[in-house]
Amino acid sequence: NAGVTQTPKFRVLKTGQSMTLLCAQDMNHEYMYWYRQDPGMGLRLIHYSVGEGTTAKGEVPDGYNVSRLKKQNFLLGLESAAPSQTSVYFCASFSTITRDSNYGYTFGSGTRLTVV
Amino acid sequence: LAKTTQPISMDSYEGQEVNITCSHNNIATNDYITWYQQFPSQGPRFIIQGYKTKVTNEVASLFIPADRKSSTLSLPRVSLSDTAVYYCLVDSNAGKSTFGDGTTLTVKP
Repeated sequence: NAGVTQTPKFRVLKTGQSMTLLCAQDMNHEYMYWYRQDPGMGLRLIHYSVGEGTTAKGEVPDGYNVSRLKKQNFLLGLESAAPSQTSVYFCASFSTITRDSNYGYTFGSGTRLTVV
Repeated sequence: LAKTTQPISMDSYEGQEVNITCSHNNIATNDYITWYQQFPSQGPRFIIQGYKTKVTNEVASLFIPADRKSSTLSLPRVSLSDTAVYYCLVDSNAGKSTFGDGTTLTVKP
């Protein structure tokens, strides 16, 4: 099925460990995003990309890095995990081409990360 | 970035119409207004999008006044399965957008 796929779905890290979250979309969307959602809160933008090879900072970029080497993939890295990064991470993609056809962001199902 | 303000929570009963209003006073000329629905443990799902006046699809209507400083999502005849968090999003083709904290809608039998 077409859509946004996130891996892994769950992960527990120890403080100081590193990891990479993978987001893959098969809709040929130009834009991709990483959000985090803390319990009872809305989504906060971490980083985003408007095309292959380009990335930009969102609201809460500190402690995260991203890369978009291929149009269909957007990777989120945590170099040295901290308990404050315990959250649910959502990836999304978007196409300005289909905007006029009344489509919005397509979200993945999320990655639940716990840092102990 | 246009900041949005929504009520934190709303209660309704099955079969009623629900209207959720979002304020976005500093909306820019190129910004669209989009609404999303989120169930627990799931990513948000697109509901409806508009630029001005009124938009209707099979699940909702979106009302946008002429000054575009607010918008109202209207859900006709809600059911228990409409219990969710609803987000108003204002964004342009610049690619950067901000979700607020959303409105938690609880539909009671």
